[in-house]
Amino acid sequence: DAKTTQPPSMDCAEGRAANLPCNHSTISGNEYVYWYRQIHSQGPQYIIHGLKNNETNEMASLIITEDRKSSTLILPHATLRDTAVYYCIVRVATVAAGNKLTFGGGTRVLVKP
Amino acid sequence: DTGVSQDPRHKITKRGQNVTFRCDPISEHNRLYWYRQTLGQGPEFLTYFQNEAQLEKSRLLSDRFSAERPKGSFSTLEIQRTEQGDSAMYLCASSSDSRGSPLHFGNGTRLTVT
Repeated sequence: DAKTTQPPSMDCAEGRAANLPCNHSTISGNEYVYWYRQIHSQGPQYIIHGLKNNETNEMASLIITEDRKSSTLILPHATLRDTAVYYCIVRVATVAAGNKLTFGGGTRVLVKP
Repeated sequence: DTGVSQDPRHKITKRGQNVTFRCDPISEHNRLYWYRQTLGQGPEFLTYFQNEAQLEKSRLLSDRFSAERPKGSFSTLEIQRTEQGDSAMYLCASSSDSRGSPLHFGNGTRLTVT
């Protein structure tokens, strides 16, 4: 699976959009981009994933560049409860690959009032 | 959909004792995964099951660790002769086997070995 690079930490203002970058310059054509977050003392929570197109759900939006070498997770209106470690993961998505995820260090996001 | 359930949430044991954790996946999911997470690190893959078959094991899974999923539903992870280095959060996740299907995690079992 391709390696990802994320900033180790970032601060966001409550009520504003939070834009979390991820670089995956070695991504291949059959690899999806997944985002998870982990709030202290809880298990990782699935947020969103995509292959080529931008995706949006009730939690966030995922913007993938046309060359697929980077992506941005957007939390439209950050709240204090969005304070967490956010993981960007790239994974080969074939049935044979087993669906397992390899976590990196993530970005520690602090939402400030 | 009640999510992935893990039991117990916390376990304190003395070095040398055996411990067993249970995971109940989302009911329609046929894949089940175990991960371990130590303080300040991301989760690390241990093993996964497709139904009752254990298809992959990480080299992190020493001989003292054994996982089972006897009927393709719930799973257990047993650690024999626990060591202080086994202290960690043990996470379970499940997914369907559809292409690209995301994993859904439980809230883990925190093990402390004294």
